[in-house]
Amino acid sequence: EAAVTQSPRNKVAVTGGKVTLSCNQTNNHNNMYWYRQDTGHGLRLIHYSYGAGSTEKGDIPDGYKASRPSQENFSLILELATPSQTSVYFCASGRDWEANTGQLYFGEGSKLTVL
Amino acid sequence: QQKVQQSPESLIVPEGAMTSLNCTFSDSASQYFAWYRQHSGKAPKALMSIFSNGEKEEGRFTIHLNKASLHFSLHIRDSQPSDSALYLCADDSGYNKLTFGKGTVLLVSP
Repeated sequence: EAAVTQSPRNKVAVTGGKVTLSCNQTNNHNNMYWYRQDTGHGLRLIHYSYGAGSTEKGDIPDGYKASRPSQENFSLILELATPSQTSVYFCASGRDWEANTGQLYFGEGSKLTVL
Repeated sequence: QQKVQQSPESLIVPEGAMTSLNCTFSDSASQYFAWYRQHSGKAPKALMSIFSNGEKEEGRFTIHLNKASLHFSLHIRDSQPSDSALYLCADDSGYNKLTFGKGTVLLVSP
């Protein structure tokens, strides 16, 4: 099965600090995504990428940057963390969509607490 | 406004019952629809997906898509305690992107 690994799994940060969440996939998928999950909001798309060197803004990109240095790695960067960014962050990867595909494979999540 | 809306927010059913979860979407141009299941503390995992109007069955799970009514549903036959989870529906919001609903929490009581 497709493998997506996130690090760190748990992180406590201070307000104003810089946080980097990392994601690695061994599936050779072109597409990678960062979502956050909060109670009452479901999964919301922050940034995504179609391949190495590309990043695109999702639905809630404010306060976040993303970096895709290689096919395998996709990072989410919070330059100035705020308490409102306390959440569980999920990375996902997926193939280019063809008929009957389009499945996303999610990592186990990174729980971020900003104090 | 949430582009994908799910109902109910939560649901308790007895073991062995039929469970029905609903999803409405706002973009008639969406091409791909999927259900994901997320057990507590775990990653969301794709359950079933469909590209065209109609019905698709896999084991105890059936999904229905009606693009004209912007409605997408998941039905679980003979619900089991192991089916207890958060169920998320999603549609494509552009090439290779998924928009998720807020989810339905299902509890199957033994």
